[in-house]
Amino acid sequence: GAVVSQHPSRVICKSGTSVKIECRSLDFQATTMFWYRQFPKQSLMLMATSNEGSKATYEQGVEKDKFLINHASLTLSTLTVTSAHPEDSSFYICSARSPGFDFEAFFGQGTRLTVV
Amino acid sequence: GQNIDQPTEMTATEGAIVQINCTYQTSGFNGLFWYQQHAGEAPTFLSYNVLDGLEEKGRFSSFLSRSKGYSYLLLKELQMKDSASYLCAVRDMDSNYQLIWGAGTKLIIKP
Repeated sequence: GAVVSQHPSRVICKSGTSVKIECRSLDFQATTMFWYRQFPKQSLMLMATSNEGSKATYEQGVEKDKFLINHASLTLSTLTVTSAHPEDSSFYICSARSPGFDFEAFFGQGTRLTVV
Repeated sequence: GQNIDQPTEMTATEGAIVQINCTYQTSGFNGLFWYQQHAGEAPTFLSYNVLDGLEEKGRFSSFLSRSKGYSYLLLKELQMKDSASYLCAVRDMDSNYQLIWGAGTKLIIKP
């Protein structure tokens, strides 16, 4: 099946720094990728929809200047958490729609971000 | 509005059968999905229902009743590795076909 690779799996950063998370579709082209955030014991919260070659669509309440999304190619989307604060500590997950699946069938491994 | 309800936690015995229910309210229903998520890992897709009825896939089956806004995931011959959270998600046409996620049901399997 299709594979989505997310990197890094874990990252610890200092407050005020920026962190970049990559999401790659390894064996298919993904015109649309999705970025989620999940707090402990809570469900997935969609942050934004990343569209190749165009601006991301952010959900209400998500600061686009803080969570920068770039989808420069059909196989790569990146999420950059800028000026991170401890409250940004969370589990970030990407997913993609692959050919033959018009829904988010495949997820990356997730990134555990801890801001200290 | 949109709303998805599923039990917070369930406990079952190894080798037994468990049914996890999900009720939903959405204005533009376009399919219901079940995912399994182990702690600290990303979700993995289990099943998809868009028409009423039962979809069977090995030990897992999923049922949908659109008129009742109801679905269940049935897990048979439970194994310890089935201990995980099970997420119900509904695709909503009126929300640009996004998935609306339930909070998940934590399933604990006991020997």
